[in-house]
Amino acid sequence: EAGVAQSPRYKIIEKRQSVAFWCNPISGHATLYWYQQILGQGPKLLIQFQNNGVVDDSQLPKDRFSAERLKGVDSTLKIQPAKLEDSAVYLCASSLGWRGAEAFFGQGTRLTVV
Amino acid sequence: AQSVSQHNHHVILSEAASLELGCNYSYGGTVNLFWYVQYPGQHLQLLLKYFSGDPLVKGIKGFEAEFIKSKFSFNLRKPSVQWSDTAEYFCAVNPSGANNLFFGTGTRLTVIP
Repeated sequence: EAGVAQSPRYKIIEKRQSVAFWCNPISGHATLYWYQQILGQGPKLLIQFQNNGVVDDSQLPKDRFSAERLKGVDSTLKIQPAKLEDSAVYLCASSLGWRGAEAFFGQGTRLTVV
Repeated sequence: AQSVSQHNHHVILSEAASLELGCNYSYGGTVNLFWYVQYPGQHLQLLLKYFSGDPLVKGIKGFEAEFIKSKFSFNLRKPSVQWSDTAEYFCAVNPSGANNLFFGTGTRLTVIP
């Protein structure tokens, strides 16, 4: 079974630039998550989709972050404009269900903002 | 504030030593509990999970965890670690009514051959 695919693996940008991350979940998984993992911390949920609808985006800094999941499959996460404190690993995960269902994680995108 | 605490930030053990990593949470009510592992250069993957029933849960690679409701704890154990267990271990909690996981800060385990 193919896992969760993410690209790019690494990205370095200057502050105030924009960046986008892409995620392809496991086939058939209705729920998709984007997590932010800052160095030395555990992953923190940014946004959760159920099919193509948003379930939870309470922790998403909506003034600069946006995400979409067109057709309930692939998803993109965008940051515009980026700040130094956005340097982190951005993890995408997917699960068959939600509310405690096992989440499968991608390898993440390491973003460095300079 | 509600949280998940992993007090051990970095644990160093010799091969064959026993392992116990602590995890405490502050969410009330029913919780689902997970341990994830991240080997160097790899993605997070599930070690084991507890939803209900027997509070002693067995996972992959000889790991187990015990849910102690009165202590709000879900400690991870392995009787004899191997060099290949070197990784970062994350405890995660799905509280009742929540849609997602709340993670601890992780514990880095280094096993010396």
